[in-house]
Amino acid sequence: ETGVTQSPTHLIKTRGQQVTLRCSSQSGHNTVSWYQQALGQGPQFIFQYYREEENGRGNFPPRFSGLQFPNYSSELNVNALELDDSALYLCASSRGQGSYNEQFFGPGTRLTVL
Amino acid sequence: TQLLEQSPQFLSIQEGENLTVYCNSSSVFSSLQWYRQEPGEGPVLLVTVVTGGEVKKLKRLTFQFGDARKDSSLHITAAQPGDTGLYLCAGAWPGNQGGKLIFGQGTELSVKP
Repeated sequence: ETGVTQSPTHLIKTRGQQVTLRCSSQSGHNTVSWYQQALGQGPQFIFQYYREEENGRGNFPPRFSGLQFPNYSSELNVNALELDDSALYLCASSRGQGSYNEQFFGPGTRLTVL
Repeated sequence: TQLLEQSPQFLSIQEGENLTVYCNSSSVFSSLQWYRQEPGEGPVLLVTVVTGGEVKKLKRLTFQFGDARKDSSLHITAAQPGDTGLYLCAGAWPGNQGGKLIFGQGTELSVKP
């Protein structure tokens, strides 16, 4: 069983640029959640996708957007990057929506905004 | 707004010592999860507690959910260097939509040989 994978591993961007992060969910999982983890902090929920639709969203501005594809992989897009967007971005997949379903996390993408 | 406070934020102990990490909230959670995260990796689920007063054991780790489901603790007996890592608690609350988990800020544990 293949686990959750994310790409790229590391990324450096400058303020104002746009970035796309990718996530492949674990086999058999139809739900993907994205989290932002700033240095020294716990992860913060960005949004969740279930069956290709956004299923819930945290306190993040609209410049954070996402997609889920028919194979349940997902993308996180961030427009107009700000310095505070520098963080580890984690993707987690689960068998269904709802927090009672165990979420399996990928290794994350480390984004640095200069 | 649901918040989870973890304490302590940092913990440095010698091998063989015992320790307890606390996770507190003013909100009632439907379930609470504990994760361990190592550098360069995503969090890995250790346990989920659902029932108030529930106690679960995982080898040398003991997890407890408060009776009112507002707090939880993680106790490690005879800590080993392999226990070193970031421990995170995460809660889900009744009526939550979208699988949102609220994470605490984490406890950075260092166990020295």
